[in-house]
This record gives sequence, C-alpha cells and structure tokens, in this order.
Amino acid sequence: GIQVEQSPPDLILQEGANSTLRCNFSDSVNNLQWFHQNPWGQLINLFYIPSGTKQNGRLSATTVATERYSLLYISSSQTTDSGVYFCAVDQGAQKLVFGQGTRLTINP
Amino acid sequence: DVKVTQSSRYLVKRTGEKVFLECVQDMDHENMFWYRQDPGLGLRLIYFSYDVKMKEKGDIPEGYSVSREKKERFSLILESASTNQTSMYLCATNRGATNEKLFFGSGTQLSVL
Repeated sequence: GIQVEQSPPDLILQEGANSTLRCNFSDSVNNLQWFHQNPWGQLINLFYIPSGTKQNGRLSATTVATERYSLLYISSSQTTDSGVYFCAVDQGAQKLVFGQGTRLTINP
Repeated sequence: DVKVTQSSRYLVKRTGEKVFLECVQDMDHENMFWYRQDPGLGLRLIYFSYDVKMKEKGDIPEGYSVSREKKERFSLILESASTNQTSMYLCATNRGATNEKLFFGSGTQLSVL
C-alpha cells in the first residue's frame, strides 16, 4: 500500500516563528488533506489539496503531485497552533492513509 | 459547518462486554468512517460505509463490526471487548464518491479493563 512519511516528527518553536512541515508519499494520489489535531484531540481539516497551492490566513499548503510531496507552511506561529499536524492521502476506494504526524509546540 | 457527534467522550468497559460507539452527522453526507488512533501507530481505518446498509472493511476490521441503518448514523460495535481495543476512536464523514474533505468527530477514548 501507499506509504506516507512526515517530517520532522517534532518541532519546537517560539511564538512568532515560521515553520514548514513536509509530507512525502510513495505513489500518485488523487486526494491529499492536511489536518490539525489540537491538544484536546479534535481533528480539524485544514486543506484539501491534491495539487497546487492554497492559502488560509497564516496557513498555506503546496502539493507537487509529480514529485510526491506536500508542504504545510505556518507563518507567525501562535500558541494555539500547537498540536499534531497530519497529512493523509487516498489509497483508492474511499480510504485515506495517514502519516505519523508532526508534533508542533509553540512556546510563548 | 459539518457537525459530527460521537455519543461519549470517555468510556470504560470490562473485558468481554459488548460495546457500542455511536456517531451522528447532520450534513447528509454519503460516506462515514471509523478510525482508531494509537500512540506510535497513527490513525488506522477500521470500517467505512458509503451508503445505508453498505459497509467496507478497512485496514484493521478484526474484532469489530458496524451498522448503518440510517444515513446520518454509523455505529461501531465491539462484540467482545478486549484490552487491546483500548484506544481513541474517531468517527469521520465526507460528502461523496470522490473522496472529498474529511470531517471528524471529537473522539471517544475507550478503556477496556
């Protein structure tokens, strides 16, 4: 099956810093999504981005499907950005495969 | 916004008990999913359903069954709970056949003693 690798596994930053999270996948995909899991466990969908670039406030994402990677950018980090960020890609037949996540900690 | 509601936030059960986890969505979505999340293993798909009374096995269906009698409700059933089923269970939903944006409930932390 498709493999999804996220890096780095952990990231600790000061408030106001910028960060880039990476997601590599092993095969072509029709669907790639980024999620944020807050410290209370709620998973929020950030982007549906099988290709191209999207922006939402301080967050943006770029997927280069031909090279099998996606990047999530967070600018001017805030403590509320802390949590785990997951990317997920489709395996076909409605199944999303999740990476192991990047744990982001933003210190005040 | 899509609302996905899971019936319990925390649940404690005994080994051998039959356990029902309920999930309800309010947006008339076709697809519903059950995942479990474990430290170091990430999110793994247990079962999903793309229509009423339809179900498909995910990657780890053993020890679980599901029921979808109405479009808005998807139940996960542990026929005889075991300690290795202690986990966070997450329900999710999306709109249709093209694997659109996935929306999650807030999760049920199940402990089997």
